Amino acid sequence: RKEVEQDPGPFNVPEGATVAFNCTYSNSASQSFFWYRQDCRKEPKLLMSVYSSGNEDGRFTAQLNRASQYISLLIRDSKLSDSATYLCVPLTGRRALTFGSGTRLQVQP
Amino acid sequence: DTEVTQTPKHLVMGMTNKKSLKCEQHMGHRAMYWYKQKAKKPPELMFVYSYEKLSINESVPSRFSPECPNSSLLNLHLHALQPEDSALYLCASSQENYEQYFGPGTRLTVT
Repeated sequence: RKEVEQDPGPFNVPEGATVAFNCTYSNSASQSFFWYRQDCRKEPKLLMSVYSSGNEDGRFTAQLNRASQYISLLIRDSKLSDSATYLCVPLTGRRALTFGSGTRLQVQP
Repeated sequence: DTEVTQTPKHLVMGMTNKKSLKCEQHMGHRAMYWYKQKAKKPPELMFVYSYEKLSINESVPSRFSPECPNSSLLNLHLHALQPEDSALYLCASSQENYEQYFGPGTRLTVT
């Protein structure tokens, strides 16, 4: 089983839609989780940190389910500028980030 | 300020060249990282420095040599690279066990 699994997509959604991505992780010792977004040929940018059961920041909500070892990202009222690849990243005990392969989102007008 | 800077932005080098990539942060972070990212793949960890000491080397070939001159600077020395080493090289920094902030990367082409 891969350490981090994400549906690669692409998710094609219209502007204004709500879209959710799931991510499963295999290391039950992971304590911290991050969602990064990455635009084509750019660096990953931190979108959200999750240290407890979840986090919300404006249109973005992350939920963590430790029992089932998955974390989700919900985007409400999608904007064209949300088009990117979303990377799910648990932090392992040795301070290294293990990146999922990412989920590509394309928001269409 | 969550800025990590990297130079150069682009680098083309031959297989016999020696070059260096540079990374700098002024956020007081004590952990710094090098990642390699190939097209359509996620970043892969290469090295981790913690308090200026190398703490993780992910079995990276010796033609890549990291150096941490001080807590704000991280270098990656390159020598005798192969064409398959062409990739985006990303530097990141963090406080211990917290989120990492990435620089814009150096796009390396080995000819």
